[in-house]
Amino acid sequence: DQQVKQNSPSLSVQEGRISILNCDYTNSMFDYFLWYKKYPAEGPTFLISISSIKDKNEDGRFTVFLNKSAKHLSLHIVPSQPGDSAVYFCAAKDVAGGTSYGKLTFGQGTILTVHP
Amino acid sequence: EPEVTQTPSHQVTQMGQEVILRCVPISNHLYFYWYRQILGQKVEFLVSFYNNEISEKSEIFDDQFSVERPDGSNFTLKIRSTKLEDSAMYFCASSRQETQYFGPGTRLLVL
Repeated sequence: DQQVKQNSPSLSVQEGRISILNCDYTNSMFDYFLWYKKYPAEGPTFLISISSIKDKNEDGRFTVFLNKSAKHLSLHIVPSQPGDSAVYFCAAKDVAGGTSYGKLTFGQGTILTVHP
Repeated sequence: EPEVTQTPSHQVTQMGQEVILRCVPISNHLYFYWYRQILGQKVEFLVSFYNNEISEKSEIFDDQFSVERPDGSNFTLKIRSTKLEDSAMYFCASSRQETQYFGPGTRLLVL
């Protein structure tokens, strides 16, 4: 199942710089997208989301951009901090008959390392 | 801040044994889910649960799996006869709308 893909297994960034994590999807029925952060031996922690009717959503240092025509979304973290070092997952929910409770389909994750 | 909790954090069992994984979702949430992540693989959806019944299940969720909300707070996943390939992290999640909040997971090891 390759409906959601994160093509970069890892990303290394200097503290204070921008981190850009990318995600591509193939299913045009996805209507809601989320980014999660995960530390080893912990569950995914919700970061930020975006509905398919928007192209940008911002929350503090985190901004998610959605390009529906390209079926691409990205997460920008500015400025990056060492505490941001974790695995980042993009996930997508399909419209599932218009309900709120559709299953999430996850990407493989990108390991972000922010160096001091 | 309310959070999803899961017990136990680790479970070791023998192949063929039954296991029950427990979750306490966030109290005002209406939708409940189980996902799993086999080591080195993606997080995979297993089942969603709403209004005391299964809303959707994946092909992984066969007759060996069942879910239950036995009271107003707990949500359980039962595996009747565990197989080696059931070894994974199992995550419970809950939501009120689109955003799903995950618990810390139960690491299940089947020997």
